[in-house]
Amino acid sequence: NAGVTQTPKFQVLKTGQSMTLQCAQDMNHNSMYWYRQDPGMGLRLIYYSASEGTTDKGEVPNGYNVSRLNKREFSLRLESAAPSQTSVYFCASSATPGYNEQFFGPGTRLTVL
Amino acid sequence: QQQVKQSPQSLIVQKGGISIINCAYENTAFDYFPWYQQFPGKGPALLIAIRPDVSEKKEGRFTISFNKSAKQFSLHIMDSQPGDSATYFCAASGGFKTIFGAGTRLFVKA
Repeated sequence: NAGVTQTPKFQVLKTGQSMTLQCAQDMNHNSMYWYRQDPGMGLRLIYYSASEGTTDKGEVPNGYNVSRLNKREFSLRLESAAPSQTSVYFCASSATPGYNEQFFGPGTRLTVL
Repeated sequence: QQQVKQSPQSLIVQKGGISIINCAYENTAFDYFPWYQQFPGKGPALLIAIRPDVSEKKEGRFTISFNKSAKQFSLHIMDSQPGDSATYFCAASGGFKTIFGAGTRLFVKA
């Protein structure tokens, strides 16, 4: 039981390049989330998927797109990376939204030069 | 914008002491208040959580105190240990969204 897995662990991009962060969970959870973590700002929600087939914007969606590929997988895409997107990105999942523990992946550390 | 304000930013406590971290929220629609613990290089993990219909919840050395009228809640770590050294995040959750505090970096001196 791997829980929530993320790839890659580290990535360096140049401004304007694109990339996709992958996330998968094996807990049969309905809801999945993408957060970014910046020093002194906690975790901020980028996008979430309440259930398979649905996605919605969080607090900081600009510059990102997501795809809920199936119940297990939720990817985050940066179409044209900017230095302001340098951050640590966490994927999380929960059984349902609301009163439920979110399980986090190990994170992807992204640097945009 | 919905906010959760967390204090202090950092905290140093002697082994065996009590660590206290405070949070305040604005939106009365929040109905689930978890605390997450994060070690360096790892993702956050749920430590303890409370719903607003109770004023206190205790799990081992960890206690959440909740004051609904003041819109404040706090985490108390009793008999703090060096292994508790980590970053702690409070959060407030309502429906599909969870808003996190900025985090408190706790260091417990041996």
